[in-house]
Amino acid sequence: KNQVEQSPQSLIILEGKNCTLQCNYTVSPFSNLRWYKQDTGRGPVSLTIMTFSENTKSNGRYTATLDADTKQSSLHITASQLSDSASYICVVSVWMDSSYKLIFGSGTRLLVRP
Amino acid sequence: NADVMQNPRHLVRRRGQEARLRCSPMKGHSHVYWYRQLPEEGLKFMVYLQKENIIDESGMPKERFSAEFPKEGPSILRIQQVVRGDSAAYFCASSSAGTQNTGELFFGEGSRLTVL
Repeated sequence: KNQVEQSPQSLIILEGKNCTLQCNYTVSPFSNLRWYKQDTGRGPVSLTIMTFSENTKSNGRYTATLDADTKQSSLHITASQLSDSASYICVVSVWMDSSYKLIFGSGTRLLVRP
Repeated sequence: NADVMQNPRHLVRRRGQEARLRCSPMKGHSHVYWYRQLPEEGLKFMVYLQKENIIDESGMPKERFSAEFPKEGPSILRIQQVVRGDSAAYFCASSSAGTQNTGELFFGEGSRLTVL
């Protein structure tokens, strides 16, 4: 069964600290993996996309990694800011039934405190 | 993403009434997706449409819910005879044919339905 599991479910950190969010997937055949950020009351916004051949990709203070062998991805946030408080959603694209399907994780809710 | 326009942003309905949610995709996008998000939960896929066609409605409840994306005008998600359990945020996303396989969706700000 195609699934995307994220951990932790929620996380509280102090401003300025680093954190790492995890995404494990049991999806096949894998096409790509994307991380979205969803601010409270807003729509999700794409942070980064990882394809099969990519191991790491950075977008400012966000760094995503992908291990296609273990089917794990992580999103590392460096020097957190209050504005990083949001839900972070892992989405995996899979080829299924003659089209691409997106499998969403339930998200990690991050709260950054001053 | 402000370029995907959803309205209304907030809608209040009494049980048994109908709710209509509209979505105008980004300019040039011909693929529209609808998702439902319950409070404190993740996004759940409902339906995927292209112009005048429903491609995948596997996430849509069999009764009371329908969606369309006409040749002209916005996509409409229609909920008939609403019940309290329909209260949720409904997000629309769009993609162009070229980005469909990269999984990049551009989301609207959502429509929040409250059923009294």
